[in-house]
Amino acid sequence: SSELTQDPAVSVALGQTVRITCQGDSLRTYYASWYQQKPGQAPVLVIYDKNNRPSGIPDRFSGSRSGDTASLTITGVQAEDEADYYCNSRGSSGDHLIFGGGTKLTVL
Amino acid sequence: QVQLQESGPGLVKPSETLSLTCTVFGDSISSYYWSWIRQTPGKGLEWIGYIYYSGSANYNPSLKSRATILVDTSNNQFSLKLTSVTAADTAVYYCARGEVLRYFEYFDYWGQGVLVTVSS
Repeated sequence: SSELTQDPAVSVALGQTVRITCQGDSLRTYYASWYQQKPGQAPVLVIYDKNNRPSGIPDRFSGSRSGDTASLTITGVQAEDEADYYCNSRGSSGDHLIFGGGTKLTVL
Repeated sequence: QVQLQESGPGLVKPSETLSLTCTVFGDSISSYYWSWIRQTPGKGLEWIGYIYYSGSANYNPSLKSRATILVDTSNNQFSLKLTSVTAADTAVYYCARGEVLRYFEYFDYWGQGVLVTVSS
């Protein structure tokens, strides 16, 4: 499949740890990038490559990959982390880019 | 600080051509990959395509050759044309700077997005 599959919604208690996953065949070869999007705003890159954070992204955000699944982990979730999260990688042919359907993270 | 700004009509008639321009500030367009990405209201992100400053482009196959991305290095801009639009093309269109490497890619700077509505 050339798709990336994400759970539509995940909830977590304030201060706890949450893992958001992205599943797809292409992830066996390619790494995922992760984006945070808050209402009315453009997406913001939070993780890319194996586990790299752009400048300004808190170190509570981390990325990993196992088999066909990439994960974004937020350790010690803050209220401001409530947002939609999207993964991005390649299609199965490797020559075009795709996004997952997004996960809405709710902080309780 | 790198900034990208989309511009273009907010309303396009069905069957006509959607045209948008992205102006890049604070960086030369003569490096990186420059992409268009859209988001239909209340839904997810869809990659449209990217162009390298040399003019080499790559597109989402699902758009069935309706999309063309061009780069204008003299004005530090790149553009999108999407032909034969329908209501399904109504979306917020983002331009973004990115890097495409062997095993990963990323988009590190985005414009604020522009809503384009397809309606008669």
